[in-house]
Amino acid sequence: ETGVTQSPTHLIKTRGQQVTLRCSSQSGHNTVSWYQQALGQGPQFIFQYYREEENGRGNFPPRFSGLQFPNYSSELNVNALELDDSALYLCASSVKGGETQYFGPGTRLLVL
Amino acid sequence: AQRVTQPEKLLSVFKGAPVELKCNYSYSGSPELFWYVQYSRQRLQLLLRHISRESIKGFTADLNKGETSFHLKKPFAQEEDSAMYYCALRDGQKLTFGTGTRLTIIP
Repeated sequence: ETGVTQSPTHLIKTRGQQVTLRCSSQSGHNTVSWYQQALGQGPQFIFQYYREEENGRGNFPPRFSGLQFPNYSSELNVNALELDDSALYLCASSVKGGETQYFGPGTRLLVL
Repeated sequence: AQRVTQPEKLLSVFKGAPVELKCNYSYSGSPELFWYVQYSRQRLQLLLRHISRESIKGFTADLNKGETSFHLKKPFAQEEDSAMYYCALRDGQKLTFGTGTRLTIIP
């Protein structure tokens, strides 16, 4: 069984740029959720994807967008980066309707 | 809106002593609650969930709806319990996390 993987592990961008983060779900999982974890905080829900469609969204502006592909992998895109977007971005996969989400190692984004 | 509160950012306990990590929640429906743990240099992983009423690595947590709490307990702390612990509440497709408690076990 392959766990959740994310790429890249680290990324540095400047304000105003755009970034794409990638996630491969665990084998057998069809749902992907994205979370933002700022320093000293718990993860905050950004959105979830199921069957290639957004299936719920947290309090994040539209410049945070995503995609899910037929193989259930997913991308998180952030446009017009702001300094406050600096955080650890976590991806979690699960089976639709299942309780447990399995997390990836995260991508650490630094916006200068 | 749902909310999860972990009042202690840091908690230090001697090896062999009892551990209690506090979690309180605010939710209008019937809550589904979890404890996640992150050991040093490892990813966030599920420790236990209230529905299964299980004991994992000696930890238990009981849902108290009257006090809206889901405290994590272990009778005898071990050094390998040192980690970051997050309480989380599931509402449909999303998890709402607390800010976490860093538990340090003193040898």
